Amino acid sequence: GAVVSQHPSRVICKSGTSVKIECRSLDFQATTMFWYRQFPKQSLMLMATSNEGSKATYEQGVEKDKFLINHASLTLSTLTVTSAHPEDSSFYICSAPQGPTEAFFGQGTRLTVV
Amino acid sequence: EDQVTQSPEALRLQEGESSSLNCSYTVSGLRGLFWYRQDPGKGPEFLFTLYSAGEEKEKERLKATLTKKESFLHITAPKPEDSATYLCAVASWGKLQFGAGTQVVVTP
Repeated sequence: GAVVSQHPSRVICKSGTSVKIECRSLDFQATTMFWYRQFPKQSLMLMATSNEGSKATYEQGVEKDKFLINHASLTLSTLTVTSAHPEDSSFYICSAPQGPTEAFFGQGTRLTVV
Repeated sequence: EDQVTQSPEALRLQEGESSSLNCSYTVSGLRGLFWYRQDPGKGPEFLFTLYSAGEEKEKERLKATLTKKESFLHITAPKPEDSATYLCAVASWGKLQFGAGTQVVVTP
């Protein structure tokens, strides 16, 4: 099946620094990718929709200037958490739909801000 | 407001003890109901997509069914390797909305 690769799987950063997370579709082109955040024992919450060649669409309550999304090619989307704070610590997951029937997820990135 | 509710929150089964998980939903413009399996510290793994009431899909010991208001994931004769959190999600207008998941533990 289709593979979505997310990197890094774990990252620890100091408060105030920025962290970039990459999401790649390895064997198919993805004009759209989704970014989710998942807190412990909670559901995945959609943060934003990444669109190749255009601006990302953010969900209500998600700060555009804090969570920068770039979708520069048909196989790569990046999420940059800027000026990270401890409350940004979470599990971030990307997803890429393949056709109308399936959506594949990356392995997730555990971000810890200290 | 669109809602996806999964029950139970947690389920502990003996190996071989069949059971069902429930996903009830209220959503406008349903474009599919998805089931995923998620292991700790990993991204969700796709299992099934269902589109219309009455539809059923099977994969090994798992069987998913769909009605107009809910979906069931039946686990038949589970094994310890079936232990995971099972998530359902509904697709509406291009986005996936997830339930909180059911954590399943299967003991030998």
